[in-house]
Amino acid sequence: QLVESGGGLVKPGGSRRLSCEASGFSFRDYSMNWVRQAPGKGLEWVASISSSGTYIYYIDSVKGRFTISTDNAKTSLFLQMDSLRAEDTAVYYCARELELGAFDVWGQGTMVTVSS
Amino acid sequence: SVLTQPPSASGTPGQRVTISCSGGGSNVGSNTVNWYQQLPGTAPKFLIYSDNQRSFGVPDRFSGSKSGTSASLAISGLQSDDEAHYYCSTWDDSLNGVVFGGGTKLTVL
Repeated sequence: QLVESGGGLVKPGGSRRLSCEASGFSFRDYSMNWVRQAPGKGLEWVASISSSGTYIYYIDSVKGRFTISTDNAKTSLFLQMDSLRAEDTAVYYCARELELGAFDVWGQGTMVTVSS
Repeated sequence: SVLTQPPSASGTPGQRVTISCSGGGSNVGSNTVNWYQQLPGTAPKFLIYSDNQRSFGVPDRFSGSKSGTSASLAISGLQSDDEAHYYCSTWDDSLNGVVFGGGTKLTVL
């Protein structure tokens, strides 16, 4: 099971840190991802981190602004979001990666609204 | 979206419907395709991975296939609770990231 938290209302240019807590499995065994969905729109992959933390990838639109990480205990996933823009407004889901690009376990999502 | 899906599809109960997902050589043509079902207001549900493998608990009414740079999701014996949005996804070697289709809204008439 995955449970996200940290969403809320943020002003443009502001920051927000999302968390995703796992239960029933360890991040040590899986790559983890963040996927977002703007209101009324489709799914958009945001970032991924390999089980070892060695490989990290981002969609171009968030490079240099977002940072994906895990804690040392490998039970929590984070997404540090800086320099937020209105177009970052979305429900953010964390997802476990069963194999390359295949997300078998999803959290319930946390809403981030970027607005003045 | 990098992957192209029809925005809508429909069928009557009991019917078979297919949803297509078209990409290119750097994504669908080189990597396996996955499918998700999303009911309104809920998180996506994992349906199909590795082109044609059903996730645990997914009924065999759902099947996936791929040929070249196109993939398809087929739903047979359509039921009213199949009404949802369906998304395809895969890894893109050029973008170094996961790409999703724009989604298909399935209506059961």
